[in-house]
Amino acid sequence: GAGVSQSPRYKVAKRGQDVALRCDPISGHVSLFWYQQALGQGPEFLTYFQNEAQLDKSGLPSDRFFAERPEGSVSTLKIQRTQKEDSAVYLCASSFVPGLAVTYEQYFGPGTRLTVT
Amino acid sequence: AQSVTQLDSHVSVSEGTPVLLRCNYSSSYSPSLFWYVQHPNKGLQLLLKYTSAATLVKGINGFEAEFKKSETSFHLTKPSAHMSDAAEYFCVVRHRNRDDKIIFGKGTRLHILP
Repeated sequence: GAGVSQSPRYKVAKRGQDVALRCDPISGHVSLFWYQQALGQGPEFLTYFQNEAQLDKSGLPSDRFFAERPEGSVSTLKIQRTQKEDSAVYLCASSFVPGLAVTYEQYFGPGTRLTVT
Repeated sequence: AQSVTQLDSHVSVSEGTPVLLRCNYSSSYSPSLFWYVQHPNKGLQLLLKYTSAATLVKGINGFEAEFKKSETSFHLTKPSAHMSDAAEYFCVVRHRNRDDKIIFGKGTRLHILP
């Protein structure tokens, strides 16, 4: 069956460019999460959607980061005026259970590796 | 505050020998604990989870972990390593009964020697 997919898988951007990263969650999953994984580190929470509502964006590192999920399915993470420190793997995960307090499994996509030069 | 520490960044074992990946946590509330595995170019996959039931948790691919509250540990073990176990492993903590996000450890890379 189809899992979580992300595109592009790899993205190289010059510093100052805007990028958009896409996540297609598992159909019917209510919750959607974005994480940032720097090299050699574990994933760190960025933001959380329940359907189309962005209920938590406390992990977004700056106002250059923006996420949306307008129809409650596909989500886009946008980074404006990219900086070298934005280089990381961006992971998307979804779950059929609503809420951040998730003890049910989150299903992760393969990630988008962003390199800012 | 909650945190999770994976004590080894790299672990190397020979194929067929036991695996031990160590994880200690800090939590002000009763935690839920997870182990995830990340193979290259693949998404994170849940191995097992502890959510206040039995303290010895069995997961997929022969892995298991034991929750020890007195030691604040949740070490991952497997009796006999396979080459296919080579991957990055993450220990994860979350407060139960709190609407908090999950916290990942920094990961342990498991190398399997032939």
